[in-house]
Amino acid sequence: AQSVSQHNHHVILSEAASLELGCNYSYGGTVNLFWYVQYPGQHLQLLLKYFSGDPLVKGIKGFEAEFIKSKFSFNLRKPSVQWSDTAEYFCAVILGGSYIPTFGRGTSLIVHP
Amino acid sequence: DTAVSQTPKYLVTQMGNDKSIKCEQNLGHDTMYWYKQDSKKFLKIMFSYNNKELIINETVPNRFSPKSPDKAHLNLHINSLELGDSAVYFCASSQDQAGGNNEQFFGPGTRLTVL
Repeated sequence: AQSVSQHNHHVILSEAASLELGCNYSYGGTVNLFWYVQYPGQHLQLLLKYFSGDPLVKGIKGFEAEFIKSKFSFNLRKPSVQWSDTAEYFCAVILGGSYIPTFGRGTSLIVHP
Repeated sequence: DTAVSQTPKYLVTQMGNDKSIKCEQNLGHDTMYWYKQDSKKFLKIMFSYNNKELIINETVPNRFSPKSPDKAHLNLHINSLELGDSAVYFCASSQDQAGGNNEQFFGPGTRLTVL
């Protein structure tokens, strides 16, 4: 069965620091990749997604992610975080031909003002 | 307009009770889901419904049963509630059953507390 690993469970940064959250999956076929964000007390919202084409994907609020097929990775990045980026971040993978997502365990990001 | 709505937002109940959580989506999506998020924020898919058919049923206790009166609704019934059922339950929907366009649209969540 496929799995999604988010190695950073808790990340604490100061404002203006750069962010990179890791996401690795264990499946060698076609995949669709997602990053979702869950702000405190709220539901999950889509940050960005990759289906095909340019492996560097731009999302909302200055986030981007790069799909590196050879590394089975889809890391999330932001050059300069803000206090308002404090949230839980979830990576998700859907295998080609399927529609059911597998979510990672999430990364808790705290940004100090 | 709220795309995916759930009621109630908070649910506090005693062990052994039976309760239901309602979910409605006005996006015209084909597939709806229920997720359970535990205290450590781990998100686990419980059910998926497409065109009123249960497509996938993860290994959840049979005390949990999804019911879909129509394509826009997927309700979650829980019988004989246990302490371990305490969690936040999210409803979600997506457009396609197969293929790549499967962004999940989540509801606001229902925080269930079993005493």
